[in-house]
Amino acid sequence: DTAVSQTPKYLVTQMGNDKSIKCEQNLGHDTMYWYKQDSKKFLKIMFSYNNKELIINETVPNRFSPKSPDKAHLNLHINSLELGDSAVYFCASSQGPRASTDTQYFGPGTRLTVL
Amino acid sequence: KNQVEQSPQSLIILEGKNCTLQCNYTVSPFSNLRWYKQDTGRGPVSLTIMTFSENTKSNGRYTATLDADTKQSSLHITASQLSDSASYICVVSVTWDSNYQLIWGAGTKLIIKP
Repeated sequence: DTAVSQTPKYLVTQMGNDKSIKCEQNLGHDTMYWYKQDSKKFLKIMFSYNNKELIINETVPNRFSPKSPDKAHLNLHINSLELGDSAVYFCASSQGPRASTDTQYFGPGTRLTVL
Repeated sequence: KNQVEQSPQSLIILEGKNCTLQCNYTVSPFSNLRWYKQDTGRGPVSLTIMTFSENTKSNGRYTATLDADTKQSSLHITASQLSDSASYICVVSVTWDSNYQLIWGAGTKLIIKP
């Protein structure tokens, strides 16, 4: 059973397009996250939702909009894609809202390439 | 400035050998330090977490140490296996009031050769 799943795994698109990445967790966790891993391999948190409520919203262009229809799903929609958006995007979940102490479980990542 | 630095950037060793990866941090106020293993094309998986008062923790062949005075941590891998080939990432947590921040290192890429 896949704990945290993301679709698609690969996404290649043109600049200016709008795209979405979906994430689902079957762990029964209350909190979900989106991270961006750039070419230097640093992971940077973008958003966090706890029970469908936004609790972390880092300095991210407002072209990025997360949506949590229920606590098992957290989707990421990106408008007007730019070259600099090319990266691997990871979804994660944790039982509680504090990733500082609660173990995060990561999905396999979505590699986004903007041409 | 809160920062986590890992060394070496990459390491190649022969199967069966031991190795030690380093993590130095300059963060305040420190809450805990976690080591992750990230296989190629996969998400990170937590190996160990240590708080200020813990100076060693093991998970199978992985042993993490923490020296809170010198702000250094190491991850020692014993009797390496081909499946240990991965990136190992050190993450330090900073907490203040009811807030927190995770400071991620860039990772050490470990390659195990048969």
